[in-house]
Amino acid sequence: DGGITQSPKYLFRKEGQNVTLSCEQNLNHDAMYWYRQDPGQGLRLIYYSQIVNDFQKGDIAEGYSVSREKKESFPLTVTSAQKNPTAFYLCASTFTSAQPQHFGDGTRLSIL
Amino acid sequence: GIQVEQSPPDLILQEGANSTLRCNFSDSVNNLQWFHQNPWGQLINLFYIPSGTKQNGRLSATTVATERYSLLYISSSQTTDSGVYFCAATSGNFNKFYFGSGTKLNVKP
Repeated sequence: DGGITQSPKYLFRKEGQNVTLSCEQNLNHDAMYWYRQDPGQGLRLIYYSQIVNDFQKGDIAEGYSVSREKKESFPLTVTSAQKNPTAFYLCASTFTSAQPQHFGDGTRLSIL
Repeated sequence: GIQVEQSPPDLILQEGANSTLRCNFSDSVNNLQWFHQNPWGQLINLFYIPSGTKQNGRLSATTVATERYSLLYISSSQTTDSGVYFCAATSGNFNKFYFGSGTKLNVKP
């Protein structure tokens, strides 16, 4: 079945550590997105990519980095510069912004 | 970008009741989606509906693009309908999806 796979489901970060969240899709979608969700809040856009080797900052990109070396993969690195990383992270993809967006099941990141 | 506003922010229903959730947007849209976020955090696609009306079982949605709003109807609500409902839209040449702040629905048995 086609879909979006995020891993791991739960992740713990130590102070000063960078961690990478994985997002893989086999839907042949061109565009991929990363969102952050804090408890009881809506979704905020971190980064998005329309094509391979290209990506744009969203509304809250500081302290995060991404890469898009392959069409099916869009990993997100939470760097030590992100002082409040505890949140639920959701990855999404779509053919174009005029088409339906599909989501993975998310990764919950906490600080140790 | 565009502004997306949802109402009401919170809704409590008795099982079996009907409800209407509203999503207003500030500009013309080329994508409008409704999602249900379940208690485990999964975002489930309900409708892709930039215009017109669609139905799926007890749920239906209507988007009136010229008046810049969309409605999600839930009939004969069940406890499994509980969760948060989000609408999201894109507009013009913007490639970003703009989300509303959600409606939190609690259906009591």
